[in-house]
Amino acid sequence: GAGVSQSPSNKVTEKGKDVELRCDPISGHTALYWYRQSLGQGLEFLIYFQGNSAPDKSGLPSDRFSAERTGGSVSTLTIQRTQQEDSAVYLCASSGQGAYGNQPQHFGDGTRLSIL
Amino acid sequence: AQSVSQHNHHVILSEAASLELGCNYSYGGTVNLFWYVQYPGQHLQLLLKYFSGDPLVKGIKGFEAEFIKSKFSFNLRKPSVQWSDTAEYFCAVTISGNTGKLIFGQGTTLQVKP
Repeated sequence: GAGVSQSPSNKVTEKGKDVELRCDPISGHTALYWYRQSLGQGLEFLIYFQGNSAPDKSGLPSDRFSAERTGGSVSTLTIQRTQQEDSAVYLCASSGQGAYGNQPQHFGDGTRLSIL
Repeated sequence: AQSVSQHNHHVILSEAASLELGCNYSYGGTVNLFWYVQYPGQHLQLLLKYFSGDPLVKGIKGFEAEFIKSKFSFNLRKPSVQWSDTAEYFCAVTISGNTGKLIFGQGTTLQVKP
């Protein structure tokens, strides 16, 4: 398809386990963002990738969270030793090249993560 | 820190009523402004955006928003809502020259009664 693709759509795991969430951005989009949507915190920025530049990790809530983007395309968000407060919908978005901040972001359907 | 406030958390309207959703941001410099919509079971979609120029911007489905710089506001309006407008609406900003990360408001749930 032409949109941002995320997998899995749902993930249920036990507290303490590691999880990996995947994002396939729109082909040709150089910028990729991860956000988290939770009941108490709303929509929060996590991390940003742009081409070969160093990522902006300023939104990651703890060192249990990490992300990488291979070959300038697919990205994986990893959460180690999951905690119940990590339960949320994790959204990925991508955008085309342009002046910072003025390219509309296209969102995927998200991964709903539930920690038991 | 920069923040975005949406004053209405839950709005209930009848079809054909007029809509205005408030949005204010806190940042003294240049911003880009967005409204996103999330229909039930769907992903976030861009409704409209403002970067520069005419402060009254028109988006999809008859929505419009007005940027008032002196009030740090970007309110969303629609003259006559339809049942299909039932959704959650998010106001967001990016800081010009920054990484483009979106700073979102808490969202407003709009319920339109047929």
